[in-house]
Formats: sequence, structure tokens, C-alpha cells
Amino acid sequence: NAGVTQTPKFRVLKTGQSMTLLCAQDMNHEYMYWYRQDPGMGLRLIHYSVGEGTTAKGEVPDGYNVSRLKKQNFLLGLESAAPSQTSVYFCASSLGGGNQPQHFGDGTRLSIL
Amino acid sequence: GQQLNQSPQSMFIQEGEDVSMNCTSSSIFNTWLWYKQDPGEGPVLLIALYKAGELTSNGRLTAQFGITRKDSFLNISASIPSDVGIYFCAGFHLSGSARQLTFGSGTQLTVLP
Repeated sequence: NAGVTQTPKFRVLKTGQSMTLLCAQDMNHEYMYWYRQDPGMGLRLIHYSVGEGTTAKGEVPDGYNVSRLKKQNFLLGLESAAPSQTSVYFCASSLGGGNQPQHFGDGTRLSIL
Repeated sequence: GQQLNQSPQSMFIQEGEDVSMNCTSSSIFNTWLWYKQDPGEGPVLLIALYKAGELTSNGRLTAQFGITRKDSFLNISASIPSDVGIYFCAGFHLSGSARQLTFGSGTQLTVLP
């Protein structure tokens, strides 16, 4: 049982490049989330999904897009990467929403030069 | 949105000592969660609290949901080297569109041998 799997684990991009971060969960969870973690700021929610085919904006959605075409996958896209998007990105999933505990992947470390 | 103040930001303790950390908010929360993050990994759920006044233990860890519902505490007894990491509190508040967890900025714990 892998839980939440994120790929890639590390990536370096140049400003203006695009890329997609992949998240997969095998727990049949309805809700999935993308966070970014910056030093001293904890975790901030970028986008989330309450089920297949749905997405919603979180606290810091600008510059990112997401898609949830399949229940088990949640994709985070950067269309034109900026240095301010250098961060560690975490995907999480939960059985239900709100107060249900979220299970996290091991993160993607992204550097934008 | 809701803000969580987590303190202390960092702690250096001797192996065997007890540790206390807390989160406070100006808003009422319905759920408190405590996570631990090891270097290079995602946060892992330690304890979940769902009722005001609730006291829950997980091994050497004990967490409490404050009576006012605006705070929560995590205590670690007899610390060991593997307790090193970042501890995050997270709260859920049922109001309007805030159907998401709010995370504290974390407490970095270092255990000295």
C-alpha cells in the first residue's frame, strides 16, 4: 500500500518553463490537495479537489492549475514558472473533507532559476 | 482566513526531557490535528482531536483540545533522538467557504544526546 505518491521528487526549471507535478493515491480517497511549503510559513493550500472532475482554489492559487480527471490522480501544473514558485510541494488526500485527517506524500522539491 | 500561532518556533532539548508546544487562534476550531515532518518527507499524522477538552495520547505523545476551542497543546514525554523533526498543528473551522485545514508554521524540535 503506497499511500500518496508524488513524482518527480526533485526538479530544476528555468523561468518561463512549464511542468506538471503528479500525485497518485491508492486509498480511494475522495479529497485531494496541493500545498506548498516555504521556510517559516508552514503549509499553504494551492488548490484542492472534492472528487473526480472537480477542483477548487485554495489560499495561494495564482500561477497554478490543477486537474482531477481520475479519482486517484491530482495534477498540479505550472504554465510559466517563476522564481517565486521555488518551493517544496506536497500532495495530500483524505477520505472526506474538512476535518478528516489528510495523508501526505513525500514532496517535490522544485527550484526555478 | 483563520490564523494559527504556533509556538515555540524552535526548541533544543536534552534527550529524556519533556517537551510542550502549542497552537492558538483568535477563531474557534472544530478539529485540531498534530503532524510531524521528518527531513525530506511529508507530514505524518500523530493525533486528531475532535471535541473541546479532549485529551488523547499516542505513546509518549499527548495532545489536548482546549476548552475554549481556540487552542491545542502537544506534549512529548521522555524525548528520544528520533523525536527530531518539525511538528505542525492544523485546525479545521466550519464556516463559509473555509472548508480546509489551516496549518501552523511549525515547531522545529532538536534533541541533544
